[in-house]
Amino acid sequence: ETGVTQSPTHLIKTRGQQVTLRCSSQSGHNTVSWYQQALGQGPQFIFQYYREEENGRGNFPPRFSGLQFPNYSSELNVNALELDDSALYLCASSLRGPGANVLTFGAGSRLTVL
Amino acid sequence: GDSVTQMEGPVTLSEEAFLTINCTYTATGYPSLFWYVQYPGEGLQLLLKATKADDKGSNKGFEATYRKETTSFHLEKGSVQVSDSAVYFCALSDPSAGNQFYFGTGTSLTVIP
Repeated sequence: ETGVTQSPTHLIKTRGQQVTLRCSSQSGHNTVSWYQQALGQGPQFIFQYYREEENGRGNFPPRFSGLQFPNYSSELNVNALELDDSALYLCASSLRGPGANVLTFGAGSRLTVL
Repeated sequence: GDSVTQMEGPVTLSEEAFLTINCTYTATGYPSLFWYVQYPGEGLQLLLKATKADDKGSNKGFEATYRKETTSFHLEKGSVQVSDSAVYFCALSDPSAGNQFYFGTGTSLTVIP
């Protein structure tokens, strides 16, 4: 069983640029969520995708957008980068169904905006 | 809205000491509760969970009991090891409040030999 993989692991961008982060979900999982973890903080929910549609969104502006593909992999896109977007971006996959919705996290993509 | 309040760190303990990390929550419905652990340079890993009141989650010597009356889910371990050094996050998932997980700010634990 493969876990959640994310790419790239580290990247540096300048303010105003755009970035795309990628995530492959764990085998058998059909739901992908993205979280932003600022330094010293807990993860904050960005959005979730299920059946290739956004299925819940946190308090993030529209310049944060995403996609889910038929193989359940996902992308997070951030436009017009700001300095405060510097953070660890975590992808988590899960299986929608009865019972607790346990998240399985990837190792994250660390974004630095200069 | 839903939220999690977690004991602030950092916490430093000697090996074999007893560990408690406090966590309280606010939720509108009937949440599931979780503890996740994050080792340096890694993502979060599920440590344990509880899905209803009075449930006890346990794993690797760690335990936490879902207390509805005190809205708490404190993490405990009787004898910590150096390898337990990590950041611990309390979290809740409340289906009536959407699909997101709410995380606490994390508690950094360092265990010294």
